[in-house]
Amino acid sequence: IAGITQAPTSQILAAGRRMTLRCTQDMRHNAMYWYRQDLGLGLRLIHYSNTAGTTGKGEVPDGYSVSRANTDDFPLTLASAVPSQTSVYFCASNPTAGGSGELFFGEGSRLTVL
Amino acid sequence: GQNIDQPTEMTATEGAIVQINCTYQTSGFNGLFWYQQHAGEAPTFLSYNVLDGLEEKGRFSSFLSRSKGYSYLLLKELQMKDSASYLCAVRDENYKLSFGAGTTVTVRA
Repeated sequence: IAGITQAPTSQILAAGRRMTLRCTQDMRHNAMYWYRQDLGLGLRLIHYSNTAGTTGKGEVPDGYSVSRANTDDFPLTLASAVPSQTSVYFCASNPTAGGSGELFFGEGSRLTVL
Repeated sequence: GQNIDQPTEMTATEGAIVQINCTYQTSGFNGLFWYQQHAGEAPTFLSYNVLDGLEEKGRFSSFLSRSKGYSYLLLKELQMKDSASYLCAVRDENYKLSFGAGTTVTVRA
């Protein structure tokens, strides 16, 4: 089934550990995004990529890094996790960055940092 | 960046109409989106506006006024399954899509 796959779906992590959330899409979409969602704050953009080989910072990029080596994959890395990074993380994609099409979201990754 | 405001909660009766307002300030406007999100699920796309006016799609309609920095989502003939969070999102000139905090709509029988 075509779409976006995120992994893991849920993870408990000790503070200070390194963690990579994986995101893969098979729709050949150019644009990809990482959001975090916290109660009362809605979805906040962490990093984005308008096309393979390029990335940009969103509203809350500190403590996170991304790479876009190819069209399909857009991993999000927490170099040294802190409790404030406990959140639900959504990866999303769009056929083109400026199009009228919808964002397709993955099912989310629930991360708890202790 | 964007500053997006929408009410936190709204309650309505099954069969009624509800209007969710969204105001925004952006450094460059490149489209406004509405998404629906049920608890524990990913957001799903409802509508897209880039020009002023009303876009109708079944029971849902979305309106945009760029000069006023204002949009609304209109939900007609409310059903119990419409109980969800509704997210207003604005895209800027760099194609970054930023979301409001969401409006939780509760439909009562």
